[in-house]
Amino acid sequence: DAMVIQNPRYQVTQFGKPVTLSCSQTLNHNVMYWYQQKSSQAPKLLFHYYDKDFNNEADTPDNFQSRRPNTSFCFLDIRSPGLGDAAMYLCATSRAYFPNTDTQYFGPGTRLTVL
Amino acid sequence: AQSVTQPDIHITVSEGASLELRCNYSYGATPYLFWYVQSPGQGLQLLLKYFSGDTLVQGIKGFEAEFKRSQSSFNLRKPSVHWSDAAEYFCAVGADSNYQLIWGAGTKLIIKP
Repeated sequence: DAMVIQNPRYQVTQFGKPVTLSCSQTLNHNVMYWYQQKSSQAPKLLFHYYDKDFNNEADTPDNFQSRRPNTSFCFLDIRSPGLGDAAMYLCATSRAYFPNTDTQYFGPGTRLTVL
Repeated sequence: AQSVTQPDIHITVSEGASLELRCNYSYGATPYLFWYVQSPGQGLQLLLKYFSGDTLVQGIKGFEAEFKRSQSSFNLRKPSVHWSDAAEYFCAVGADSNYQLIWGAGTKLIIKP
């Protein structure tokens, strides 16, 4: 089945220790998104790629970076995690570049704990 | 700027009872409207969406939603809920003006046996 896969599902890191979350997709979609979701809150878009074109949301902290080496994979790097970065991180994809209308397909998420 | 309000943080419904989850939006033109469901510990899945045409939209898992322009609402309904419907439900609104998708804060559905 075509799907969006996130690894690891649970990640524990120490305050200030860099961490990388990964996402892969077998849907061959052009667009990949990274969301941050804190408990009982709506997903918050951090950035998205249309193919290799990177689009950063204005309020995404510089501490968050992303890489998309090819169509299938996308990585979220948190350079110096703080306690406030503990959250669920969701990866999503869509076929075309219309975030306002396209169905987004989500992975199961990575829950990040910062000690 | 568009916005989405889901007035109910939690809703508790008995298994087999009907369900209505509220969603109100603020946007000047006809919005693109979505309902997503998030089961515990999982990502989100699209239930249904409305762009134009028939204002009553059928989705997966027996859900439907009705777009009411006069009330700026897009409420989600199900005639008879099952225990497996326990999840968090998110309404989202897209606009032509900025290609953004704006998410509501979510409603957590609790099913009583």
